[in-house]
Amino acid sequence: AQSVTQPDIHITVSEGASLELRCNYSYGATPYLFWYVQSPGQGLQLLLKYFSGDTLVQGIKGFEAEFKRSQSSFNLRKPSVHWSDAAEYFCAVANQAGTALIFGKGTTLSVSS
Amino acid sequence: DSGVTQTPKHLITATGQRVTLRCSPRSGDLSVYWYQQSLDQGLQFLIQYYNGEERAKGNILERFSAQQFPDLHSELNLSSLELGDSALYFCASSVQVGVNTGELFFGEGSRLTVL
Repeated sequence: AQSVTQPDIHITVSEGASLELRCNYSYGATPYLFWYVQSPGQGLQLLLKYFSGDTLVQGIKGFEAEFKRSQSSFNLRKPSVHWSDAAEYFCAVANQAGTALIFGKGTTLSVSS
Repeated sequence: DSGVTQTPKHLITATGQRVTLRCSPRSGDLSVYWYQQSLDQGLQFLIQYYNGEERAKGNILERFSAQQFPDLHSELNLSSLELGDSALYFCASSVQVGVNTGELFFGEGSRLTVL
């Protein structure tokens, strides 16, 4: 069965520093991968997605992610974090039937000044 | 604003009771998904409807049921509530029937507290 692991429950980054959030997936075929962000009291918003093609995908708000099949990873990166990036970030993979997203447990990002 | 509307935003009820959560999808979206978010289980897929028909089921308890109406809004019914049902319930919508071709748009959720 498909699954997603986000090894880091909570990360604190200084404003202006770079960020990398880790995501590992378990899936037999080529996965459809997503990163979502959830700000406090809000729903989830799609940051970016990978379906096929270029393994480095660009998203909104300056985020990017790289798909590495050999490592079963889809890590999210941002070169310079802003205080407004503080939120919870979820990695997700589509299930085999393509009918639902399977989410990781999430990583909470705190930004220090 | 995602365009997905969920009501109520907050709900407090007692064990054994029944509640109904409502979701209005984005205009033009035919698919509705329900998710449960709790501290211990994270985000769990419950059920999906497409154009009025149930298309996929996830970890939905038998005490829970859902439907999608002709105007495409959806309701999630939770009955015989237990303390463990306390969670944030999200609705999401999309144009397509599957998740592989587009984006899910999430509402802000309905927070259910069972006392």
